Amino acid sequence: QKEVEQNSGPLSVPEGAIASLNCTYSDRGSQSFFWYRQYSGKSPELIMSIYSNGDKEDGRFTAQLNKASQYVSLLIRDSQPSDSATYLCAVWGSSNTGKLIFGQGTTLQVKP
Amino acid sequence: KAGVTQTPRYLIKTRGQQVTLSCSPISGHRSVSWYQQTPGQGLQFLFEYFSETQRNKGNFPGRFSGRQFSNSRSEMNVSTLELGDSALYLCASSLGQGDGIFFGSGTQLSVL
Repeated sequence: QKEVEQNSGPLSVPEGAIASLNCTYSDRGSQSFFWYRQYSGKSPELIMSIYSNGDKEDGRFTAQLNKASQYVSLLIRDSQPSDSATYLCAVWGSSNTGKLIFGQGTTLQVKP
Repeated sequence: KAGVTQTPRYLIKTRGQQVTLSCSPISGHRSVSWYQQTPGQGLQFLFEYFSETQRNKGNFPGRFSGRQFSNSRSEMNVSTLELGDSALYLCASSLGQGDGIFFGSGTQLSVL
């Protein structure tokens, strides 16, 4: 079982729709969770962090965390073509494993 | 505030050679991590340094090494290059474990 799993996609949504990206993790003791966006040919950019169960909203982005289910999600409302990118879920391992573990990423395509 | 700076941006080497990559973290960040990114394997953790000490290491052969200086700047060295070492090498800095990490632009290494 991979430590952080994501559906690789591509996930295709029309412009203006809600894009839902999902991630599961295996380390039940993990405490910090992040979403990164990576455009083709660029390095990953941190867009959201979440540490507590529930929802965290930032503009059009909402991160959701359910530690009991070991599940993290990212919702993008009013999706724009500029949101087309690969979204990486990242999780800090428990017990100070010292590394931020990344999923393989989900490619999102927003069609005009 | 300046971001993470990596040099060089591109490198072309031949098998058997060695290479050194450089990274300057965001001012105030004492933790520096290195990752390798390839299309097939995604983002793979190489190692993490904090206050000149390697705290964690990923599953890479000993040909991959690094160090951190007193000013938090870091270097990564790969000796006896192999074709499979061709990848994007990303440096990231953070305040500490559990925090989000911020990536530099990366060094694209091609081994011929």
